[in-house]
Amino acid sequence: EAGVAQSPRYKIIEKRQSVAFWCNPISGHATLYWYQQILGQGPKLLIQFQNNGVVDDSQLPKDRFSAERLKGVDSTLKIQPAKLEDSAVYLCASSLIPQNTGELFFGEGSRLTVL
Amino acid sequence: KNQVEQSPQSLIILEGKNCTLQCNYTVSPFSNLRWYKQDTGRGPVSLTIMTFSENTKSNGRYTATLDADTKQSSLHITASQLSDSASYICVVRHQTGANNLFFGTGTRLTVIP
Repeated sequence: EAGVAQSPRYKIIEKRQSVAFWCNPISGHATLYWYQQILGQGPKLLIQFQNNGVVDDSQLPKDRFSAERLKGVDSTLKIQPAKLEDSAVYLCASSLIPQNTGELFFGEGSRLTVL
Repeated sequence: KNQVEQSPQSLIILEGKNCTLQCNYTVSPFSNLRWYKQDTGRGPVSLTIMTFSENTKSNGRYTATLDADTKQSSLHITASQLSDSASYICVVRHQTGANNLFFGTGTRLTVIP
């Protein structure tokens, strides 16, 4: 079974530039999450999708971050314009069962460095 | 407030030694608790899940415990190996709500030869 795919693995940009990350979840997983993980910290939820609908985006900085999940499969996370504090690893995860015991399957992450 | 705290923040042990990582939580009502292992540069991978009725569960050299009364969990690693070097993250799931996962900040374990 293929895992969660993310790209690019690494991205270096200057502040005020834009960047986009792509995620392809495990086939059949209805729930998709984007997390931001700053070095030395645990993942912080940015947005959660159930199929192509947003379940929770309360911690997404909407003035600069946007995400979409067209057709309920792939997802894209965009940052525009980027700030220095956006330097982090952006993890995508998917889950078959969103409630109760659902295990999250994570991709390898996209590491963003903002200069 | 629903929180998950892990200790120690980091730990260095010699290969072959045992160690125990701690996770304390205030999440209520509790649904389950997972321990994830995150190798450097990789995404977290689930090691084990603990539900309310489970006290102890083993996965190879990893043994997790749960005390739902005191809201504490531990992850014990036996006969550590170099490949155990990683961050271990405790994630507690609340019974309700869409965003019902609460993450600890992790324990960074380094196993040295």
